[in-house]
Amino acid sequence: EPEVTQTPSHQVTQMGQEVILRCVPISNHLYFYWYRQILGQKVEFLVSFYNNEISEKSEIFDDQFSVERPDGSNFTLKIRSTKLEDSAMYFCASNGGSRETQYFGPGTRLLVL
Amino acid sequence: AQSVTQPDIHITVSEGASLELRCNYSYGATPYLFWYVQSPGQGLQLLLKYFSGDTLVQGIKGFEAEFKRSQSSFNLRKPSVHWSDAAEYFCAVGNGGATNKLIFGTGTLLAVQP
Repeated sequence: EPEVTQTPSHQVTQMGQEVILRCVPISNHLYFYWYRQILGQKVEFLVSFYNNEISEKSEIFDDQFSVERPDGSNFTLKIRSTKLEDSAMYFCASNGGSRETQYFGPGTRLLVL
Repeated sequence: AQSVTQPDIHITVSEGASLELRCNYSYGATPYLFWYVQSPGQGLQLLLKYFSGDTLVQGIKGFEAEFKRSQSSFNLRKPSVHWSDAAEYFCAVGNGGATNKLIFGTGTLLAVQP
């Protein structure tokens, strides 16, 4: 069964450093998403991406964040200058249509020191 | 604004007992409703979803949920819980719009005792 994959599974970085989280969505999907879950809190929407552009973003998704689909398979989330409060589990998701089920990857746990 | 409330943070049930996890939503139009399960160290797995039609929906692993518009609820049920059901359960609502972003509840952590 096709699945969403994410790398790395864990990442530790120093405050102020740039990080890139990678996702490979399901191959025939067209809509891509990033969510995050701060430890002990709920899963929060960050951004959605369709047709090579952001279709919606949350208040969390400020200028420090960017997304890109650099090729036909990867979908990346970049945090330009990490802060302590960026420590969270980041989930990538994808679906084939905007009203279809979103399939989630296993997540990347980011720890900012 | 859309929101999802899961009033139970933590529930413990005995193996073989029935289970009901509560979910209430706030949404102006017809919602798209989902239940996801997260096992430790794992991603989010879809249990079931409601888009339209029959208000009682069946999902994987023997779970079902009932959409009650009058109560703005979408409670998850299972008649007999197995030890492997221990996990965190998230209710979510989608706006069904161009992006269909999901709004999640805070989750309910289920423990199953022998």
